Amino acid sequence: QVQLVQSGAEVKKPGASVKVPCKASGYTFSDYYLHWVRQAPGQGLEWMGWINPDSGGTSYAQKFQGRVTMTRDKSINTAYMELTRLKSDDTAVYYCTRDSEGGSGRFDPWGQGTLVTVSS
Amino acid sequence: QAVLTQPSSLSASPGASASLTCTLRSGITVGTYNIYWYQQKTGSPPHYLLRYKSDSDKQQGSGVPSRFSGSKDASANAGILLISGLQSEDEADYYCMIWHNSAWVFGGGTKLTVL
Repeated sequence: QVQLVQSGAEVKKPGASVKVPCKASGYTFSDYYLHWVRQAPGQGLEWMGWINPDSGGTSYAQKFQGRVTMTRDKSINTAYMELTRLKSDDTAVYYCTRDSEGGSGRFDPWGQGTLVTVSS
Repeated sequence: QAVLTQPSSLSASPGASASLTCTLRSGITVGTYNIYWYQQKTGSPPHYLLRYKSDSDKQQGSGVPSRFSGSKDASANAGILLISGLQSEDEADYYCMIWHNSAWVFGGGTKLTVL
């Protein structure tokens, strides 16, 4: 079945960087864009950007431009989201999700999420 | 003013219907947008429910019951998620989403309580 598997929790200090992996299985990795969405504790969903796993092309939400980099390794069907210069308000669950219909907002499935805690 | 505004909470009784609204900011006309709806239960990632643009242009998520449906209220400039025959398992957070200014934008979410 189509699945996105994410790593466990991370704890980082302010100013550090985090790189979150998202391993895809059950479909052709290059055929579907992957998006990253985060959710701060008790808060709503926030879209961060997408990556085209085929070309490596990316598009980032304006809020994160300059701090976020999305990459992929096609040999292991894994996408990555790296966020730099972490602040306490970057503490959130970071989800990867697949755009199931090429340019639509049908995000399905979702990874289980990676909790990133930023604390000194 | 936020692009999408949702009431923070809503309560309804089992078996009743619940209408969840997603109001677009003034200047953004609901008629031109696909409105996407997601359900998120506590401790789980979001789950795609449906897309609604018009009665002739809509899509139900795989396995999503037909008691979940979408509509629009042009006079209120809002998208609507209607859940009929409420069940206890429908208790969750619900988010709307649109594509606006080259970005995906979520509403703040509505916590639906079934009691």
